[in-house]
Amino acid sequence: SAVISQKPSRDICQRGTSLTIQCQVDSQVTMMFWYRQQPGQSLTLIATANQGSEATYESGFVIDKFPISRPNLTFSTLTVSNMSPEDSSIYLCSVVPGVRTEAFFGQGTRLTVV
Amino acid sequence: QQQVKQSPQSLIVQKGGISIINCAYENTAFDYFPWYQQFPGKGPALLIAIRPDVSEKKEGRFTISFNKSAKQFSLHIMDSQPGDSATYFCAVPSYSGGYQKVTFGTGTKLQVIP
Repeated sequence: SAVISQKPSRDICQRGTSLTIQCQVDSQVTMMFWYRQQPGQSLTLIATANQGSEATYESGFVIDKFPISRPNLTFSTLTVSNMSPEDSSIYLCSVVPGVRTEAFFGQGTRLTVV
Repeated sequence: QQQVKQSPQSLIVQKGGISIINCAYENTAFDYFPWYQQFPGKGPALLIAIRPDVSEKKEGRFTISFNKSAKQFSLHIMDSQPGDSATYFCAVPSYSGGYQKVTFGTGTKLQVIP
């Protein structure tokens, strides 16, 4: 298993600003994943972050809007840039700590853009 | 792109009853089939998972049934309790570029009434 800490747990932001979400894992992992969960919806993968390389973004998500850093094997950040009310969601960090094992999630960051 | 179909969308069960949630997937073989439980304001937590070499796995009141030929797996919650009220997601992993990605079902909101 893995213990994942996300900060902040929630925030209310003004439109046009940016928010950086931090994700810390208690063990070294190769890949870290960022998901978005819009209100009442399922989880959608935003991007996959590998240490030492550019993140890989899913269809519909771009680096300019969601820049990701992965400076080491236990930490990653996701920035939501130039926010609009449509970005109001829960953002979740996830890891798969072993080879072909289950995914684990942080508690999420509940973002409200006003 | 892996498709995962989950049903029902919502479910109301009397305390002590059985809750059944179904999931159907497409394509290929996977290493495991997990169910996640999510309470409001929290990230998804792994509830139970099954490997494809068995047809059923039971952990306490929670049972996964797996039908490989039909590409379906289901979650059964026996003796449902009000504390089980949450949203449940099935998920299937897939592999791309040498790493695992997880695709989630649409979710089932379960309400257990006293």
